[in-house]
Amino acid sequence: AQSVAQPEDQVNVAEGNPLTVKCTYSVSGNPYLFWYVQYPNRGLQFLLKYITGDNLVKGSYGFEAEFNKSQTSFHLKKPSALVSDSALYFCAVRKQAAGNKLTFGGGTRVLVKP
Amino acid sequence: EAGVTQFPSHSVIEKGQTVTLRCDPISGHDNLYWYRRVMGKEIKFLLHFVKESKQDESGMPNNRFLAERTGGTYSTLKVQPAELEDSGVYFCASSQGIQETQYFGPGTRLLVL
Repeated sequence: AQSVAQPEDQVNVAEGNPLTVKCTYSVSGNPYLFWYVQYPNRGLQFLLKYITGDNLVKGSYGFEAEFNKSQTSFHLKKPSALVSDSALYFCAVRKQAAGNKLTFGGGTRVLVKP
Repeated sequence: EAGVTQFPSHSVIEKGQTVTLRCDPISGHDNLYWYRRVMGKEIKFLLHFVKESKQDESGMPNNRFLAERTGGTYSTLKVQPAELEDSGVYFCASSQGIQETQYFGPGTRLLVL
């Protein structure tokens, strides 16, 4: 079975400060890892994914994530947060070559204060 | 290019009634998925279509839920009869290939009273 944990229900950060949203996963074999964001009254929007290769993945809107196999983590980061980054962030995992069913974490609400 | 669309955006029904949700995937995407988020919990997989065939329906909660994708284009998800615990947000996603990124629609918020 595969699972994802997002240990923080909410992250508060001041505008301009670095933003980190934590994600750890459990899956047998090699994982595909994803980050999605849900802005208020909008659907899930794809941010970035790790498939293979470089452990540092760059995505939309200045976000990046680092795959750490030994710690089974895939934390989302942004060097300088914007008020417009306030949203609900979801981490997801699936096994390579094992269908396309995504398993999501519970989500982390990010609040960026001006 | 239009994204995944879902209809309706909101639905409020009474327990025991029937509701049908519709999803139009991105044009050309053979793979279509349904997920739902209940009571603010994790987003859970319901099922996966490849064209008109059900590839994986392991997440369907019970036989009150029926998904179809006639002709391999749009899909419907019917809940009959609806129960209180069915309330939540139902998301649809599509991908071009089975290994490709899934793109999600805006979701349908279902409230069963």
